[in-house]
Amino acid sequence: GQNIDQPTEMTATEGAIVQINCTYQTSGFNGLFWYQQHAGEAPTFLSYNVLDGLEEKGRFSSFLSRSKGYSYLLLKELQMKDSASYLCAVRRNTGGFKTIFGAGTRLFVKA
Amino acid sequence: ETGVTQTPRHLVMGMTNKKSLKCEQHLGHNAMYWYKQSAKKPLELMFVYNFKEQTENNSVPSRFSPECPNSSHLFLHLHTLQPEDSALYLCASSQEKGAGGRLNEQFFGPGTRLTVL
Repeated sequence: GQNIDQPTEMTATEGAIVQINCTYQTSGFNGLFWYQQHAGEAPTFLSYNVLDGLEEKGRFSSFLSRSKGYSYLLLKELQMKDSASYLCAVRRNTGGFKTIFGAGTRLFVKA
Repeated sequence: ETGVTQTPRHLVMGMTNKKSLKCEQHLGHNAMYWYKQSAKKPLELMFVYNFKEQTENNSVPSRFSPECPNSSHLFLHLHTLQPEDSALYLCASSQEKGAGGRLNEQFFGPGTRLTVL
């Protein structure tokens, strides 16, 4: 089987930096997604990492270590609008593609 | 229209009904996706179509039947659903270079809120 673990909730202060971790166990790893979802809205695709390393996109960065089964999403210069759920998802290829989502991390940004 | 549109936005159906959800993307993309989001459960990717070919089926029950007649349209045909199938069904699209390659940014539609009585 496979597991995806991420913290249920996190709280951070406006202007700060927050790191949301995701660990996974899977075979046939084929990439890892991060999505943002505000309450009552559709998800927004943030990143897709398939190789080790850090990918930066504005205030958001995503890191992947395939050997450790580990990823994180780094949010810099936090804004109130960053309060949302952040979903980690793993894609695997074992004769066909499958994508499984974690339960999500609810981030609260306070003033 | 621009972006990804879905119809209907809300649907109530009985367990013996047959209905279809429609998704249309106006972005010129070549890949389309169906997701299911239930209350208090993780988001689930149901199906992926890349270049009109189904490339991913995440063990979805056969009472859900996808159809992708062209790269702009995606349907989800529903029949003999169960109350636990009540959820928000989201469609998304992206531009891909080929099946199995790096996935690019996905754009989501607003979703169809389905209630099965």
